[in-house]
Amino acid sequence: AQTVTQSQPEMSVQEAETVTLSCTYDTSESDYYLFWYKQPPSRQMILVIRQEAYKQQNATENRFSVNFQKAAKSFSLKISDSQLGDAAMYFCAYRSADSNYQLIWGAGTKLIIKP
Amino acid sequence: GAVVSQHPSWVICKSGTSVKIECRSLDFQATTMFWYRQFPKQSLMLMATSNEGSKATYEQGVEKDKFLINHASLTLSTLTVTSAHPEDSSFYICSAPGGGGWGQPQHFGDGTRLSIL
Repeated sequence: AQTVTQSQPEMSVQEAETVTLSCTYDTSESDYYLFWYKQPPSRQMILVIRQEAYKQQNATENRFSVNFQKAAKSFSLKISDSQLGDAAMYFCAYRSADSNYQLIWGAGTKLIIKP
Repeated sequence: GAVVSQHPSWVICKSGTSVKIECRSLDFQATTMFWYRQFPKQSLMLMATSNEGSKATYEQGVEKDKFLINHASLTLSTLTVTSAHPEDSSFYICSAPGGGGWGQPQHFGDGTRLSIL
């Protein structure tokens, strides 16, 4: 069975600085998708970024980018120029390409932004 | 973009009553929807997969008779917490795949905060 591990329960960063959240996963599959979701205090789940495993190029969305290392089964999220609005829980999630869209979730990392 | 509406957002009720939570896909059809439970400061825990026109698939340890799921149409799934007790108090979230291929992400409702007195 697939598993997702987020080893950092909490991270803090100074406003305008860069922070990297780590995520590792375990799978025997070769085709899958990876996601980072953000959950602010409002508890909405917001998609931050996604990566297809068959793509070698790392996904980027404005200030958010990933470092996808397929061989190492690592999928870290880098947030550049951190803003106060980035404060939230961040969840890494895995989905098999042949599943019924079911996501496997990491435990989450709480990101604190220091003004 | 794809939107999932979840209602109610917050409900407080007495122990022993049943509570129904609705999850609607507003601009797309969802043959599959997911129901999650989230405890404070924890990750999402999948409770069940709701399948349009057929029985839901429950995760191990989730009581089927306690958490009734109905997916009667392509845009609506409901979760009914029957004879709710204080231990059922939690945050419940639904989600649905947005279609457009396997790579599409799930879209989430805003969640329901359930408090049982």
